[in-house]
Amino acid sequence: DTEVTQTPKHLVMGMTNKKSLKCEQHMGHRAMYWYKQKAKKPPELMFVYSYEKLSINESVPSRFSPECPNSSLLNLHLHALQPEDSALYLCASSQEKGNTGELFFGEGSRLTVL
Amino acid sequence: GQQVMQIPQYQHVQEGEDFTTYCNSSTTLSNIQWYKQRPGGHPVFLIQLVKSGEVKKQKRLTFQFGEAKKNSSLHITATQTTDVGTYFCAGLHGTASKLTFGTGTRLQVTL
Repeated sequence: DTEVTQTPKHLVMGMTNKKSLKCEQHMGHRAMYWYKQKAKKPPELMFVYSYEKLSINESVPSRFSPECPNSSLLNLHLHALQPEDSALYLCASSQEKGNTGELFFGEGSRLTVL
Repeated sequence: GQQVMQIPQYQHVQEGEDFTTYCNSSTTLSNIQWYKQRPGGHPVFLIQLVKSGEVKKQKRLTFQFGEAKKNSSLHITATQTTDVGTYFCAGLHGTASKLTFGTGTRLQVTL
């Protein structure tokens, strides 16, 4: 079982669609992350939120738009994606920014862009 | 940018054999973490090492952090089929506030 919940588990979308990925944690963690993982590759950091503020954007294209409505929730809004954006999108949380402790990952949202 | 390489990329062992994966950073690390990702699953934290030369054990798993804090290793004694998965190291560089994941080692264990 994971304490970070991601929905949906699977998503298929066309290049003109708008969709959102959602992530929730109730561990009181103050840092939340979005990672992208392609098959047989390591997770790649996309965004970091610390105390609900965006603190790191790893030069991610604007077709990915993160949002942190409150300390427990993290969204990733998707618009006009490309087929190469197909990947497993992982949400993670940690007690504080700076990764001084373990990252708790959700099970991921597997995205396919047609 | 910071790079963290792992070798081997892939290893196939018979159950009962030992396994080691090595992690090397191009720059000095503040700490290093290890994660395991089962096929079709998500990364799960195993351990964190902070001190130079640190060695930690978890049952059949032994983790080491190099003296120069630029490399680390994970050794599994007497592998079991439940050890199957990809093992990632992840290093925190200096004052950077983000982990850099290693390239990963995929372990396959057969009976």
